[in-house]
Amino acid sequence: QSALTQPPSASGSPGQSVTISCTGTSSDVGGYNYVSWYQQHPGKVPKLMIYEVNKRPSGVPDRFSGSKSGNTASLTVSGLQAEDEADYYCGSFAGIKTVVFGGGTKLTVL
Amino acid sequence: EVQLVESGGALVQPGGSLRLSCAASGFTFSKHLMSWVRQAPGKGLEWVADINQDGNDKQYVDSVKGRFTISRDNANISLYLHLNSLRVDDTAVYYCARGYCGPDRCFRNAFDIWGQGTVVTVSS
Repeated sequence: QSALTQPPSASGSPGQSVTISCTGTSSDVGGYNYVSWYQQHPGKVPKLMIYEVNKRPSGVPDRFSGSKSGNTASLTVSGLQAEDEADYYCGSFAGIKTVVFGGGTKLTVL
Repeated sequence: EVQLVESGGALVQPGGSLRLSCAASGFTFSKHLMSWVRQAPGKGLEWVADINQDGNDKQYVDSVKGRFTISRDNANISLYLHLNSLRVDDTAVYYCARGYCGPDRCFRNAFDIWGQGTVVTVSS
């Protein structure tokens, strides 16, 4: 299984919006509406932010939104805040291979 | 409180074996698909294996097939991972993770509760 492709880094100033991409193939991201996103602060466990492409679990701020076009999914963080600085990982259902993650994107709030 | 607590990580020589355990509490364990996800030092997340609610459907990443075995005991609300023929590249923090159940269905690729992880180091 190949990992999904994410940019290694992204950045934005407080209040701005940042979008992180996650590119896969028709066997994972493009083939199913089962993309999820996770936030991981240093030394902490991952936190589910988005599931099923664009749904937020209870308690996740609506500043976080997800979308998908073809084989690429995206996470947008609007109204950036200092506490949003973290690593972000996408994950996708991959059929019989079940789950594949992206390599992660380090988001820096300038 | 909803919680997952892993144990069993250790330093082991290449070719060795370990059994990881994950004790669940605070939720209906038998309702959820459960997974193991690992993270090598300084690296990203890698899904390792999952098991469905009644334990009769198990899936593995290619790199561990034939070496690792996932199992669960719903009566004792615990998840396990047996690791055999360990390799240096199996070195990682191993997380137990719960499959998320939304308002109308449960998902096998979204993980909403994670344990703190247990460290497996494979080295001679």
